[in-house]
Amino acid sequence: QKEVEQNSGPLSVPEGAIASLNCTYSDRGSQSFFWYRQYSGKSPELIMFIYSNGDKEDGRFTAQLNKASQYVSLLIRDSQPSDSATYLCAPRPPNFNKFYFGSGTKLNVKP
Amino acid sequence: KAGVTQTPRYLIKTRGQQVTLSCSPISGHRSVSWYQQTPGQGLQFLFEYFSETQRNKGNFPGRFSGRQFSNSRSEMNVSTLELGDSALYLCASSLGAGGGSGNTIYFGEGSWLTVV
Repeated sequence: QKEVEQNSGPLSVPEGAIASLNCTYSDRGSQSFFWYRQYSGKSPELIMFIYSNGDKEDGRFTAQLNKASQYVSLLIRDSQPSDSATYLCAPRPPNFNKFYFGSGTKLNVKP
Repeated sequence: KAGVTQTPRYLIKTRGQQVTLSCSPISGHRSVSWYQQTPGQGLQFLFEYFSETQRNKGNFPGRFSGRQFSNSRSEMNVSTLELGDSALYLCASSLGAGGGSGNTIYFGEGSWLTVV
């Protein structure tokens, strides 16, 4: 069983809509999560880190962590075509820096 | 502050050859990890180095190896290349040792390897 599961998509949303990206995880010990964005042909870049239950907002991005249900989500409000990318989630490793990434969800924002 | 720098960015090798990729982490970062990314397998952990010591290794054959130097720069080597080794190889650096000490990782632009 994969540690992190993501729907590969593509998820298509119209410009201005809310995009909702989800990630489920199997290790109940996972305490916090990273969200990375990867444009086609580019490397992943960090967009959000969430470490507690509930919501964390940063501009148009909101991360939600629900430890009881073992999922973490990323909401993108007022989606823009420039948000079109693959979004990767990863639990924070309990030790060292050995990250397991989900397969990523490809988001397409249509003008 | 300069980011993670990887060289070369693009390279083409023939089956059976070997390749060495280089990574310079963000200044002050002591942890360097390597990942392989392919369309089919996604982003997979190769190994991680901290203070010149390999601390973790992913599920890759022994043809994949790496090392870290005293200035935290790292190299990874793949010997006896196979077609399936064609991938984007990403290096990531982190300030901390991981675990509870704050371990956000920052990626370099990657090295695109094509094996023909």
